[in-house]
Amino acid sequence: EVVMTQSPATLSVSPGERATLSCRASQSVSSDLAWYQQRPGQAPRLLIYGASARATGIPARFSGSGSGTEFTLTISSLQSEDFAVYYCQQYNNWPPWTFGQGTKVDIK
Amino acid sequence: QLQLQESGPGLVKPSDNLSLSCSVSGGSISTTNYYWGWIRQPPGKRLEWLGHVFYSGSTNYNPSLKSRVSISIDTSKNRFSLSLTSVTAADTAVYYCARLGYDAYVGLVSLWGQGTLVAVSS
Repeated sequence: EVVMTQSPATLSVSPGERATLSCRASQSVSSDLAWYQQRPGQAPRLLIYGASARATGIPARFSGSGSGTEFTLTISSLQSEDFAVYYCQQYNNWPPWTFGQGTKVDIK
Repeated sequence: QLQLQESGPGLVKPSDNLSLSCSVSGGSISTTNYYWGWIRQPPGKRLEWLGHVFYSGSTNYNPSLKSRVSISIDTSKNRFSLSLTSVTAADTAVYYCARLGYDAYVGLVSLWGQGTLVAVSS
């Protein structure tokens, strides 16, 4: 099973600042890496897939990069609605597809 | 707009079986474009993929649960279901049903249900 490790566990950022989240895979997952956002009290939603492609309707301030085992999600200028928990997920190796433990982005 | 809604008991006794259903509204479950799956999140732990089903009834399961988990689909009722046998406290979690598949990648969750908390306790 591919283990996904996210860092940091919590990231405190001021509105308007940049946030950089990391995700590492225990073995190569090529570019089969997705990011999801979960706001408080809501279901997760797909943000990024293919390591860098934005899902439909996702603002351009969200960007993803990386391949192999190291990935990054960057939020260029944090808006109030971006304070949430972010999960990475690999869908390269089945079974099973696996998630990271999440990074919480909160207000500094 | 497609929506998913989980239903089932919020409390299950240890050694009993857990059964949840996911009702799909706003679209048909009988599509070749998507799979339908279950994902759970125990308190304080990461999301865990349980398994998924195609409209034909073909299934795939997480090997860590394979002997206890079963997912079925009822196209006439536009819903799919999860069964987990012989539950323990470790099965306490928020259970999400999900639509799988985005841009031809089955492993992507394109839509999530709101989730339902199931506690295993006597």
